[in-house]
Amino acid sequence: EEQLVESGGGLVKPGGSLRLSCAASGFIFTDAWMIWVRQAPGKGLEWVGRIYSKGAGGTVEYATPVKGRFTISRDDSENMMYLQMNSLDTEDTGVYYCTIVFHPVYQVFHLWGQGTLVSVSS
Amino acid sequence: EIVMTQSPATLSVSPGERASLSCRASQSVGNNLGWYQQKPGQSPRLLIYGASIRATGIPARFSGTGSGTEFTLTISTLQSEDFAVYYCQQYNNWPPFTFGPGTKVDIK
Repeated sequence: EEQLVESGGGLVKPGGSLRLSCAASGFIFTDAWMIWVRQAPGKGLEWVGRIYSKGAGGTVEYATPVKGRFTISRDDSENMMYLQMNSLDTEDTGVYYCTIVFHPVYQVFHLWGQGTLVSVSS
Repeated sequence: EIVMTQSPATLSVSPGERASLSCRASQSVGNNLGWYQQKPGQSPRLLIYGASIRATGIPARFSGTGSGTEFTLTISTLQSEDFAVYYCQQYNNWPPFTFGPGTKVDIK
């Protein structure tokens, strides 16, 4: 069964750091283009960033609000993706989901984790 | 950046009725549009991609139409499990991928 499981969320003070993890199973992780999406409390979905598979170049892309503060990485030997979040702000509060691009032609997100909650507050 | 809008913000429908949800893009996205369903406390679920292709396991009562800048998600006969928030997402111009603000379908 295909599965994504996020972990690492928690309460952090403004200016602090947090590292989220996404554990993948049930599919060929090395081929997957992986995504982080977040959702502020009571709000809609916001794309955070994407890391391509190494076979597709391994490039990383970021949304403007997180560029320079967040870093996405992956460990294909462990089937893991990470989101290192630095200089956190209250605006970064929300549930963070990892997800996977369905197909290079159809870049929708077809498998989602359960999400992990990040709360940035003093 | 392509801005996605959705209307209405809330749609009140009785079970068994038809629901039509609208999504509009600030510029053409071709057929590069997806729809998601999200229930309270749950992760989003992919319903439609390519504007009109149902994802695996999605019931036939869900259908997507449109191209360019105007799209519609139709639920032909609402079931109790369909009351949720629905989001559209464009993947024509990226980064960033952008979502609409959502339409909440609730019970009339």
